[in-house]
Amino acid sequence: RKEVEQDPGPFNVPEGATVAFNCTYSNSASQSFFWYRQDCRKEPKLLMSVYSSGNEDGRFTAQLNRASQYISLLIRDSKLSDSATYLCVVTPEGGTSYGKLTFGQGTILTVHP
Amino acid sequence: DAEITQSPRHKITETGRQVTLACHQTWNHNNMFWYRQDLGHGLRLIHYSYGVQDTNKGEVSDGYSVSRSNTEDLPLTLESAASSQTSVYFCASTPGQGHTDTQYFGPGTRLTVL
Repeated sequence: RKEVEQDPGPFNVPEGATVAFNCTYSNSASQSFFWYRQDCRKEPKLLMSVYSSGNEDGRFTAQLNRASQYISLLIRDSKLSDSATYLCVVTPEGGTSYGKLTFGQGTILTVHP
Repeated sequence: DAEITQSPRHKITETGRQVTLACHQTWNHNNMFWYRQDLGHGLRLIHYSYGVQDTNKGEVSDGYSVSRSNTEDLPLTLESAASSQTSVYFCASTPGQGHTDTQYFGPGTRLTVL
């Protein structure tokens, strides 16, 4: 079983739609959780961190469920510019493992007019 | 502006050759990482360093080595390139020891081993 699993998609949605991605992780001791965004043939960039209480950044909402070991990302009012691959990212348990990221394989989103 | 750069951006080499990919950051970050990205696997950690003279193996370190002689650079060397090492390679850095530190990625190097 992969440490971080995502539905690869692709998700094809019209502008203005709401779309949600889920991600599961296998290590219950994982410390921190993130969503990164990667545009075609570019480097990944941090979209948002994910906190247990849930957090929102404009049209984006991230949720963490530690009991079920899954993370979600909700995008409201999708824009053409949201088209990208969304990477679910987890850091392992603490100690000397800081900074080591484990990536899911990514979920492809295409927003069309 | 501070940044992280990689060179070359594209490289074609032959099986068995030694190849070195450069990574340079001007943020003075202590922590630097090398990942490879392949279809179906996402990004996987190759090697990482928490400071000068410190290097550690990641998930897929076989056939790769790194050295850290200064804060700014973490070159990745493929000792004897193999076709299985055809991939896109990303270097990244973070400033400190926090799990919540943002990791900044370079633009990537696309390596083809023939």
